[in-house]
Amino acid sequence: AQSVTQLGSHVSVSEGALVLLRCNYSSSVPPYLFWYVQYPNQGLQLLLKYTSAATLVKGINGFEAEFKKSETSFHLTKPSAHMSDAAEYFCAVSAGGTSYGKLTFGQGTILTVHP
Amino acid sequence: DGGITQSPKYLFRKEGQNVTLSCEQNLNHDAMYWYRQDPGQGLRLIYYSQIVNDFQKGDIAEGYSVSREKKESFPLTVTSAQKNPTAFYLCASHQAGNTDTQYFGPGTRLTVL
Repeated sequence: AQSVTQLGSHVSVSEGALVLLRCNYSSSVPPYLFWYVQYPNQGLQLLLKYTSAATLVKGINGFEAEFKKSETSFHLTKPSAHMSDAAEYFCAVSAGGTSYGKLTFGQGTILTVHP
Repeated sequence: DGGITQSPKYLFRKEGQNVTLSCEQNLNHDAMYWYRQDPGQGLRLIYYSQIVNDFQKGDIAEGYSVSREKKESFPLTVTSAQKNPTAFYLCASHQAGNTDTQYFGPGTRLTVL
């Protein structure tokens, strides 16, 4: 079985500061890992994904995430926050292609960006 | 443009009424999913379907029903048996063999009056 824990339901940063959103996972098989972003009253948009290739994954809007097997983590970072980054972010895990596309989502982290 | 559409965007219903939420995709994806989203609870899986005419219960299927008569359509019915139906409902699809990536529709916000 897979599970995801996102540390911090709310994260607040200043514009231009580093963004760090934490995600730890549990999986009985090598996982696939995903970060999605959701703006208010909209669906989820894929930011990036790890599927067992490079451990440092670059996504859209300047975000990246690093898969660390020893720490069972997949934290999302962005060097410099923009006001437009304010949204809710979800980490998700799947059983590495053996779960027929089923994802398990974390509880979400709301990112606030202050001017 | 390929994508997933959900309608309506906002839906209001009275207690005791059944209501059906629409989800259509033109991505030719095999699998489709319905999630419920409540503040602070992430996404919870209601039902999913990996092939036409077949579907499986997710984690919170009670009070919901689905059908999958066509590959592109996966409607969700919220029945009067659902105790607390007010929520944001999201539909997603996935193509088998595509690294488990799911693509989401814009969502339907259901409010029970």
